[in-house]
Amino acid sequence: KNQVEQSPQSLIILEGKNCTLQCNYTVSPFSNLRWYKQDTGRGPVSLTIMTFSENTKSNGRYTATLDADTKQSSLHITASQLSDSASYICVVSLYGNKLVFGAGTILRVKS
Amino acid sequence: EAGVAQSPRYKIIEKRQSVAFWCNPISGHATLYWYQQILGQGPKLLIQFQNNGVVDDSQLPKDRFSAERLKGVDSTLKIQPAKLEDSAVYLCASSPQAGLAKNIQYFGAGTRLSVL
Repeated sequence: KNQVEQSPQSLIILEGKNCTLQCNYTVSPFSNLRWYKQDTGRGPVSLTIMTFSENTKSNGRYTATLDADTKQSSLHITASQLSDSASYICVVSLYGNKLVFGAGTILRVKS
Repeated sequence: EAGVAQSPRYKIIEKRQSVAFWCNPISGHATLYWYQQILGQGPKLLIQFQNNGVVDDSQLPKDRFSAERLKGVDSTLKIQPAKLEDSAVYLCASSPQAGLAKNIQYFGAGTRLSVL
């Protein structure tokens, strides 16, 4: 069964601190892995996309890594801001562009 | 560029009633998706259109859910009759073309449905 598991389920950090979110997947055949940010009451917005041959991708303060051998990905947020408070969803794409979504990690950044 | 537009933003109905959601994708996007997102879960694909044809509706509960994209542009999703477990956010997304390796889906803000 194609699955995407994310951890932790939720996380609270202080503004300015770094954090790392984890994603493990069993999806096959794998095309690419995406991280989305979903603000409360909004739709998900794409942060990064990586194919199996890419092991890191950055978007500003967001850096995603991918280990296709162990089927693990992480999203590292540097110098967190209050606006980073959101749900972060790991999404794995099958060939044919069918997406398998994780349940998300809810991040709350406190001042 | 304008994003994916959805309406209404919120809807409250009683079980066994009918409800319809509307989506206008980004101009020129051939592919349109409807997702159901239950609280605390990731989105689940209900149906995918390529222009006005259905590509994937394997997870659409066809006894009560229907969707159409008659002119290959905007789309409606209908639930008739609604059940309590249909309470969720219904997200519409569009992408330029299916099949590309890095085809990005752009999501609307969603319609939050509460079934009482």
